[in-house]
Amino acid sequence: GNSVTQMEGPVTLSEEAFLTINCTYTATGYPSLFWYVQYPGEGLQLLLKATKADDKGSNKGFEATYRKETTSFHLEKGSVQVSDSAVYFCALGAIQGAQKLVFGQGTRLTINP
Amino acid sequence: DTAVSQTPKYLVTQMGNDKSIKCEQNLGHDTMYWYKQDSKKFLKIMFSYNNKELIINETVPNRFSPKSPDKAHLNLHINSLELGDSAVYFCASRPTTGKLFFGSGTQLSVL
Repeated sequence: GNSVTQMEGPVTLSEEAFLTINCTYTATGYPSLFWYVQYPGEGLQLLLKATKADDKGSNKGFEATYRKETTSFHLEKGSVQVSDSAVYFCALGAIQGAQKLVFGQGTRLTINP
Repeated sequence: DTAVSQTPKYLVTQMGNDKSIKCEQNLGHDTMYWYKQDSKKFLKIMFSYNNKELIINETVPNRFSPKSPDKAHLNLHINSLELGDSAVYFCASRPTTGKLFFGSGTQLSVL
């Protein structure tokens, strides 16, 4: 079946540091890949997505590239801010129909000023 | 406001009680979900309904019963609550194509 594995957290960085959160997946077919973010006390929000191999999703300075050869979708940001502190979830699933998304276990990110 | 709203935000109850969590979306979406987020932040799907029809039912104890009176509502009823049910429960909805919209969560604490 489909599954998603993300790097264990928590991750603590200083402001303006470079961020990478690793995400790898196993899947049948050609799913879409997503990163969701959960800010403290809130529900999850879609951060970015990619629907096919070599697509790059980007939003708010975050980027992730759909790498079919390495089955990866690592999240990166060149210069993090304190406001980026949150829990980040990698997920995969079909973008059409009512199929479920499969989430990774989440990575808590804390940015210190 | 257009949103996915769930109530209550916090729910503290004793073991053995029966409780319900309500979810409503005014986004016109066809599909709604319940996810459970455990203490380690792991998020697992529990149920999904499409136009009031159950389409996803993961391995969840049958003490958990979803109810969808119409496509804008998906309530979660839990019988005989156990300590292990303590978690944050998220409702979500999505259109036929597109992203999930999540509610802000219900933190359930079973004492």
